Amino acid sequence: SQTIHQWPATLVQPVGSPLSLECTVEGTSNPNLYWYRQAAGRGLQLLFYSVGIGQISSEVPQNLSASRPQDRQFILSSKKLLLSDSGFYLCAWSGGYTGELFFGEGSRLTVL
Amino acid sequence: AQSVTQPDIHITVSEGASLELRCNYSYGATPYLFWYVQSPGQGLQLLLKYFSGDTLVQGIKGFEAEFKRSQSSFNLRKPSVHWSDAAEYFCAFATSGTYKYIFGTGTRLKVLA
Repeated sequence: SQTIHQWPATLVQPVGSPLSLECTVEGTSNPNLYWYRQAAGRGLQLLFYSVGIGQISSEVPQNLSASRPQDRQFILSSKKLLLSDSGFYLCAWSGGYTGELFFGEGSRLTVL
Repeated sequence: AQSVTQPDIHITVSEGASLELRCNYSYGATPYLFWYVQSPGQGLQLLLKYFSGDTLVQGIKGFEAEFKRSQSSFNLRKPSVHWSDAAEYFCAFATSGTYKYIFGTGTRLKVLA
């Protein structure tokens, strides 16, 4: 069966420090991969999605970036964190057009 | 613009009472529709989905949703709520030929004993 792993689960970082959140999927090949951010009362904001290795689509201009170095690995990064980057980050995958999304357990980022 | 609206931010119901969570979408054609549930600090779990066919869709945990094209709605219902249903519920949609899923802002459900 397919599983999705996301880490770290919790992260506290100072303003201006770098960020790396990692997500991997097991049990499937060529998944579509997604990063969402969830802020209190604002639902899920789509940040990036990828339909293949090295293919990244950005939905929101910001100081975050994403990379997909391997088929089932998706990384969310920042060179310098802002206070506004605090939130709950969710990685997800799907198997194709409009199939359901499967979510990881999330990463709680607090920027101080 | 494509969007999903969940007009109720918070809903409180008594255990055993019926529940209806509202969802409206804005899109020129019929989208693919989803309801997800999220427990505090957790990821999202799919409750049910609508792609085509029967407009009344059955999901897990006793939930159902009805697609109404004329109202651009996809409301979630449960005839008798359990205390374990307390969570946040998200409506989402995707459009044909794209990889993007758009989520509503969520409805937080509180269940009174």
